[in-house]
Amino acid sequence: DAGVIQSPRHEVTEMGQEVTLRCKPISGHDYLFWYRQTMMRGLELLIYFNNNVPIDDSGMPEDRFSAKMPNASFSTLKIQPSEPRDSAVYFCASRSTGPSNQPQHFGDGTRLSIL
Amino acid sequence: DQQVKQNSPSLSVQEGRISILNCDYTNSMFDYFLWYKKYPAEGPTFLISISSIKDKNEDGRFTVFLNKSAKHLSLHIVPSQPGDSAVYFCAASGAGTDKLIFGTGTRLQVFP
Repeated sequence: DAGVIQSPRHEVTEMGQEVTLRCKPISGHDYLFWYRQTMMRGLELLIYFNNNVPIDDSGMPEDRFSAKMPNASFSTLKIQPSEPRDSAVYFCASRSTGPSNQPQHFGDGTRLSIL
Repeated sequence: DQQVKQNSPSLSVQEGRISILNCDYTNSMFDYFLWYKKYPAEGPTFLISISSIKDKNEDGRFTVFLNKSAKHLSLHIVPSQPGDSAVYFCAASGAGTDKLIFGTGTRLQVFP
């Protein structure tokens, strides 16, 4: 039973470049969440989708960040242009419909380094 | 504002003893509280949860206690094992949202 799959696992790129992070949620899960983890701020929610529709993007830091979910099995988080302060580990998580205690299942993350 | 707080960044415990990880929250509208464990280079994995209408939930070596009046919860691991060494995150959900609000984590080290 495949879990949440994220790609790439590591990304190193130069400042100003476009970065695209990818996520495949667990089949059948209706919710998809994007998080960013940094030493200073811990795990912070950037955006989440329900049935492919963005519900809350209040955590997206600025207009350079965008996220899409074109279908139930794929989502992207894009940063354009990237900056060194975007360096962090980005996690994708999914969960099924139900009360909010349904656990979220996380991918192994993308470690992003912007030089 | 930090709605979920884990004030101890690290904890060191001897194998076989009890580990107690603490978490405080500020929003009394949270419905559920969850604990996640995270190993290096992996995503967080769900460990145990508790509803706000309960004060205790147990699963094997793991027990979570909730004190609503104090807005405090704790995770007890008994007995602690070296494989329990990881970062533990407390999270809260509900309050009219599907979001999980995470604490900043506590790094647990269990030594032989």
